[in-house]
Amino acid sequence: GAGVSQSPSNKVTEKGKDVELRCDPISGHTALYWYRQRLGQGLEFLIYFQGNSAPDKSGLPSDRFSAERTGESVSTLTIQRTQQEDSAVYLCASSNTRTGNHEQYFGPGTRLTVT
Amino acid sequence: GQNIDQPTEMTATEGAIVQINCTYQTSGFNGLFWYQQHAGEAPTFLSYNVLDGLEEKGRFSSFLSRSKGYSYLLLKELQMKDSASYLCAVRPNYQLIWGAGTKLIIKP
Repeated sequence: GAGVSQSPSNKVTEKGKDVELRCDPISGHTALYWYRQRLGQGLEFLIYFQGNSAPDKSGLPSDRFSAERTGESVSTLTIQRTQQEDSAVYLCASSNTRTGNHEQYFGPGTRLTVT
Repeated sequence: GQNIDQPTEMTATEGAIVQINCTYQTSGFNGLFWYQQHAGEAPTFLSYNVLDGLEEKGRFSSFLSRSKGYSYLLLKELQMKDSASYLCAVRPNYQLIWGAGTKLIIKP
């Protein structure tokens, strides 16, 4: 497809388990962003990739969170030893920073529930 | 610091006009975005302003005043499907700084 895709769409996990969330950006988009959105709240910035590098990891809530990007394409967000407060929708967005207004295109998100 | 302010919630009547305000204080400015987010869905792009003035796109218009750090989104001829959250975001550099969103409730 032409849009940003994310998998899985829903993930239920037990407290203490590790989870891995995947994002496939729009082909050719150089920038990739991860956000967290708790129910009824705004977007919380987690991390930004330009190419395969992450110049800004300032939003990662703790060292249990990590992310990588390979081939200037797919990105994975890993949460280790999940806690109940990690329950949220994790949104990925990509943008083309070479041209235009840097509009961010969002994927459908992964709804994570930690029980 | 960097700050985006917008009202938490607004209510309007079907067929009417509503204006959603956004004020910002950021370390730089390279454009302001408005996004729409329906409940349970991802945000979708509505408008982009980088110069002062009004940008019109169908029933939606967005205004920017850089000197005042102020923008508004104007929705005309409101429809029930416009019930959603409206997010204001500013791009100071490579990333967007997001407001918490304004939940717009449309009543018949």
